[in-house]
Amino acid sequence: DAGVTQSPTHLIKTRGQQVTLRCSPKSGHDTVSWYQQALGQGPQFIFQYYEEEERQRGNFPDRFSGHQFPNYSSELNVNALLLGDSALYLCASSLGTLATNEKLFFGSGTQLSVL
Amino acid sequence: GQNIDQPTEMTATEGAIVQINCTYQTSGFNGLFWYQQHAGEAPTFLSYNVLDGLEEKGRFSSFLSRSKGYSYLLLKELQMKDSASYLCAVRSDSWGKLQFGAGTQVVVTP
Repeated sequence: DAGVTQSPTHLIKTRGQQVTLRCSPKSGHDTVSWYQQALGQGPQFIFQYYEEEERQRGNFPDRFSGHQFPNYSSELNVNALLLGDSALYLCASSLGTLATNEKLFFGSGTQLSVL
Repeated sequence: GQNIDQPTEMTATEGAIVQINCTYQTSGFNGLFWYQQHAGEAPTFLSYNVLDGLEEKGRFSSFLSRSKGYSYLLLKELQMKDSASYLCAVRSDSWGKLQFGAGTQVVVTP
């Protein structure tokens, strides 16, 4: 049973470029959340997708956008990259009909470096 | 404001016990989670508390006091492989978004 898979694992971009990160949720999960984790910090919530719609959003600018496909996989797009966007981007999956103890399963992340 | 605080780093010797404290102030509360994260890897789930009290799972236990906005993770019989960052996270609503602390780096020495 595959867990959460993310691609690519590492990415180097320059300021002003655009990037697309991809995530496939754990089998049976229908909800995907994206987090940004700067070095030495805890993950920060970007947004969550359920039924192909953005259901919740954290304090991130509109440069960060996403999409969920009918097979529940998801993409995170970041436009006009800034140096400060350098971080580990984590995808987490769960069930949309959340039981109280439902936990998130995380992928290993995409390490994005902006030069 | 919303805040989750935990110590930056703790050091302990193999076989010992370490307690990682977490205090939180959030706009809502619908459960507290502890995750373990080894360097360069995904966070992995350790424990969940939604009611006051102690939850025990093998060498790991977690405690919650909702009235005090306080939780701790207790790691017993420390092993070298327990060297990792431990993340405290609060779920404020029923939709699953987690708010994380900065993490506590635990260093286990021989």
